[in-house]
Amino acid sequence: DTTVKQNPRYKLARVGKPVNLICSQTMNHDTMYWYQKKPNQAPKLLLFYYDKILNREADTFEKFQSSRPNNSFCSLYIGSAGLEYSAMYLCASSSGTISNERLFFGHGTKLSVL
Amino acid sequence: QEKVQQSPESLIVPEGAMSSLNCTFSNSASQSIWWYQQHPGKGPEALISIFSNGNKKEGRLTVYLNRASLHVSLHIRDSQPSDSAVYLCAVASSGSWQLIFGSGTQLTVMP
Repeated sequence: DTTVKQNPRYKLARVGKPVNLICSQTMNHDTMYWYQKKPNQAPKLLLFYYDKILNREADTFEKFQSSRPNNSFCSLYIGSAGLEYSAMYLCASSSGTISNERLFFGHGTKLSVL
Repeated sequence: QEKVQQSPESLIVPEGAMSSLNCTFSNSASQSIWWYQQHPGKGPEALISIFSNGNKKEGRLTVYLNRASLHVSLHIRDSQPSDSAVYLCAVASSGSWQLIFGSGTQLTVMP
C-alpha cells in the first residue's frame, strides 16, 4: 500500500481560529512533509519530520506547528488562521533522509479561511 | 536558494502528438531532477527522475538533462487524453533536504 491519507479533504475555518490537519502513511517512511500550494504557484515546503526531528522553514517558522506522535501520523497546526492561509495543503512522505527519494503525496486538504 | 522555472505555463496538443515540457534551474550542482504529474483532485505523483547528464527513457517518457545549460525537458510520445494534467518539475538541491518545485505546466491533450 503506497497511500498517504489526508483528513479532512476540505476545511472551512474562520479568521483567528485554529486549524488542525491530519496525515497518515503506512509505508513506514522516515520522513513526512507538509507543503502549501496556492493556485498557479509552486508547492512550498512548510516543514518536515525526519523520524522525530522537526525541521521548519525559516519564513514559515512562526506560522505553522506540527506533531508526529508515531511513525505513521503527522499533523499540521495553525494557531490563528488568516486569509492568507487559504490554500491546498499537501502531505508527503519518503523513505530516505535525502531528497533523492521520490515523495508520495496525499490528495491534499483544501483550506478556505473566511 | 534553488529556483525552478517551467515553460510553457500551458500546452495543448492533439492526441498522438509529442508533448514537450521545459524546466530550468539555478544550481548546476543540484543532485537530481524529478517530474511529477498531478491530476485534478489528486496529489502529485512521481513520473520519472534523472541524476546524470544526458537522457533517460521510460515507456513513452524521455527526459533530457543538460547541467551546463541548467535545463531539463520532458517529452511525452504519442500523447493521450489521460496524460492531461499539471506537470511539476522538482529539483533536489545539493546539501538540502528538500525538493524545490516549479509552478507547473498544464498539459491538455485533445482527442
